[in-house]
Amino acid sequence: GDSVTQMEGPVTLSEEAFLTINCTYTATGYPSLFWYVQYPGEGLQLLLKATKADDKGSNKGFEATYRKETTSFHLEKGSVQVSDSAVYFCALYNAGNNRKLIWGLGTSLAVNP
Amino acid sequence: EAQVTQNPRYLITVTGKKLTVTCSQNMNHEYMSWYRQDPGLGLRQIYYSMNVEVTDKGDVPEGYKVSRKEKRNFPLILESPSPNQTSLYFCASSLSDAPRGTGELFFGEGSRLTVL
Repeated sequence: GDSVTQMEGPVTLSEEAFLTINCTYTATGYPSLFWYVQYPGEGLQLLLKATKADDKGSNKGFEATYRKETTSFHLEKGSVQVSDSAVYFCALYNAGNNRKLIWGLGTSLAVNP
Repeated sequence: EAQVTQNPRYLITVTGKKLTVTCSQNMNHEYMSWYRQDPGLGLRQIYYSMNVEVTDKGDVPEGYKVSRKEKRNFPLILESPSPNQTSLYFCASSLSDAPRGTGELFFGEGSRLTVL
């Protein structure tokens, strides 16, 4: 069945460092891909999405490109801030999979000043 | 303000004592869902509902019940809680079957449940 694999955390960076969180997927057909973020003590919220191959999602300085050839949707940010400390979840939606989101396990990011 | 509201946010209870976690959304969303979040296991779907009076099991429905009598409310019921149901629970909603409608699931702030 469909699955999402994220790099394990925790990831610890200094402020202004470059961030990459890897996400790869296995799916039939043409899924939509998402990154959600969970700040401490809060629920998840959508960070960005891409619905077809080669689409680039972007928000708050974060970007991710839907790469069908490598089945990847890596999250990147050029310069992280302390306020980016959170858990990041990659997710996949495939209409053929009983119409539900398939989630990665989450990657915890801590940014130090 | 558009939001998903869960109550209680924190609860400590004992084995076997029935409890209900309420969830309400003010966005007129058709789709609602319950998840539990556990360390190392990520998010797992418990139940979901495509619309009023339509509910379906997710990946881990055992020990839980839900109902959808009104569009805005989707309570999660633990008839006889056990310690393995100690977890962080999230309710989420979307305009249509998530996430194709708007591409976005809206989450509540979570309910941390401890069963002793």
